[in-house]
Amino acid sequence: NAGVTQTPKFRVLKTGQSMTLLCAQDMNHEYMYWYRQDPGMGLRLIHYSVGEGTTAKGEVPDGYNVSRLKKQNFLLGLESAAPSQTSVYFCASSYLNRGRPGELFFGEGSRLTVL
Amino acid sequence: GENVEQHPSTLSVQEGDSAVIKCTYSDSASNYFPWYKQELGKRPQLIIDIRSNVGEKKDQRIAVTLNKTAKHFSLHITETQPEDSAVYFCAASYGGSQGNLIFGKGTKLSVKP
Repeated sequence: NAGVTQTPKFRVLKTGQSMTLLCAQDMNHEYMYWYRQDPGMGLRLIHYSVGEGTTAKGEVPDGYNVSRLKKQNFLLGLESAAPSQTSVYFCASSYLNRGRPGELFFGEGSRLTVL
Repeated sequence: GENVEQHPSTLSVQEGDSAVIKCTYSDSASNYFPWYKQELGKRPQLIIDIRSNVGEKKDQRIAVTLNKTAKHFSLHITETQPEDSAVYFCAASYGGSQGNLIFGKGTKLSVKP
């Protein structure tokens, strides 16, 4: 039982390049999330999904796209990377607890640097 | 927009002392308040949470209190140990039934032996 796995763990991009971060969970969780963490800013929600085939915008969605084609996977895409997207990205998943999301289980994080 | 304010941003205590971290939230509909601990270079992990129908919850050396009228909640750590050193994040739910979380900016707790 691996929990939540993110790939890649590290990536350096040049401005304008594109890339995809992959998140996979083996806990059969309904909800999945992408957060970014910047120094002194806490965790900010980029996009989230409440089930296979559905996605929604969070607090800071601009410049990112997501897809949830399979329940266990949640992909985060950067179409044209900008230096402002340099950050540590965390994927998380959660189950439904009495009809509401419960504990977030985070992946190990992916450190992205955009030059 | 919705907001969670967390104070202090840094906190240094001697081993054995207590530590208190405070958060205020803006969405009166918030009904779920978790606390996450993040050790250096690691992922955040849930340490305790409280729902709006409860005023206080304890788990060994950790307790959380909630005042819905004032819209603030606090984390209390007693008998601190060096392994409690980490960044702590409070969060509050928003957005109705989806229960998405708004996180505070974090408190870096240092426990000195």
